[in-house]
Amino acid sequence: DAGVTQSPTHLIKTRGQQVTLRCSPKSGHDTVSWYQQALGQGPQFIFQYYEEEERQRGNFPDRFSGHQFPNYSSELNVNALLLGDSALYLCASSLKGWEQYFGPGTRLTVT
Amino acid sequence: LAKTTQPISMDSYEGQEVNITCSHNNIATNDYITWYQQFPSQGPRFIIQGYKTKVTNEVASLFIPADRKSSTLSLPRVSLSDTAVYYCLVGDMAGGYNKLIFGAGTRLAVHP
Repeated sequence: DAGVTQSPTHLIKTRGQQVTLRCSPKSGHDTVSWYQQALGQGPQFIFQYYEEEERQRGNFPDRFSGHQFPNYSSELNVNALLLGDSALYLCASSLKGWEQYFGPGTRLTVT
Repeated sequence: LAKTTQPISMDSYEGQEVNITCSHNNIATNDYITWYQQFPSQGPRFIIQGYKTKVTNEVASLFIPADRKSSTLSLPRVSLSDTAVYYCLVGDMAGGYNKLIFGAGTRLAVHP
């Protein structure tokens, strides 16, 4: 049984560019949450998707958007990248919001 | 969501028992206490969750006093591979709306 998978593993972008990160949830899970983790800090909640809709959102600007597909996979989009967006982006899946299983993350570097 | 306070770092040696205490004075009636473990460049991993008294699994034990204003994660006989960051989280796990609020965590270093 595959766990949560994320792609790509690493990504380097330039300021002002746009990026799309992808997440496939653990089999049987219907809820996907996204987190941003800066170096040396705990993960910060970005938003959560359930039934293809954004259900909750953390304190992140509109430059951060997402999508959930009918197969429960999800994308995180970040527009107009800033240097401060450099971080590890984590995807977590759960069944109806209970115990969350995290993927390995995507390391985004903005130069 | 209740705020948590835990030590920034701890040091231990292989074979010792490690206890990490988390303070959550404003815990609400419906809140559960959950601990996650994170290794460098990996996502956090669920360790244990409890509501009151004591919970034990194959990895750790969680002790919660009657007033629930604190909790202690106990790792028996740690090894070098237990070196990681440990996060204490408190939140309402009912209703399926549980966004996780992480603090800075406790960096545990296990030495030979």
